[in-house]
Amino acid sequence: AQSVTQLGSHVSVSEGALVLLRCNYSSSVPPYLFWYVQYPNQGLQLLLKYTSAATLVKGINGFEAEFKKSETSFHLTKPSAHMSDAAEYFCAVTDLIGAGNMLTFGGGTRLMVKP
Amino acid sequence: DAGVIQSPRHEVTEMGQEVTLRCKPISGHDYLFWYRQTMMRGLELLIYFNNNVPIDDSGMPEDRFSAKMPNASFSTLKIQPSEPRDSAVYFCASSYNRNTEAFFGQGTRLTVV
Repeated sequence: AQSVTQLGSHVSVSEGALVLLRCNYSSSVPPYLFWYVQYPNQGLQLLLKYTSAATLVKGINGFEAEFKKSETSFHLTKPSAHMSDAAEYFCAVTDLIGAGNMLTFGGGTRLMVKP
Repeated sequence: DAGVIQSPRHEVTEMGQEVTLRCKPISGHDYLFWYRQTMMRGLELLIYFNNNVPIDDSGMPEDRFSAKMPNASFSTLKIQPSEPRDSAVYFCASSYNRNTEAFFGQGTRLTVV
């Protein structure tokens, strides 16, 4: 069975500071990994995805994530936080076992950006 | 494409009433998912369909919940009878195939009083 753990349900950074949101996964087969962002009262929007190509994945809004198989991690980073980055971020994994497409989400991390 | 369309955006109903949530997936997408989001439990996958066929409904909490997908462009999630603990945001999502990301609708905020 696959699972996703996001360390830290709340992360607070100052505007301009580095953003680091952590995600660790477990999967019995090489996974596909995703980061989604959710703004208040909205659905989830894809930030970026890893699908077994380059291990460093660049997404929208200046975010990027690195797949590290040895650490079973897929942490999300952004060099300089902006006020508009305040939102909830979800890491998700799918391992494509059988005919299914079981996308499993982590518990989410709420990012707060201080002026 | 307009994206995944859910209706209604908000629903307030009394305990015991039937509630039907609707979803129109993105045209051409083979997979459709229903999720529930609450503060306590986060995002939970309730059920998903592949080519209109339910594949896994193990996340459906109780027999009070049912989902259908009569055709490729429409799905419903029904709760009958509704209870206050069903209050949550329900999301529908669709994906092109099993290797691609899911696109989410705006959600339906359900309040059962």
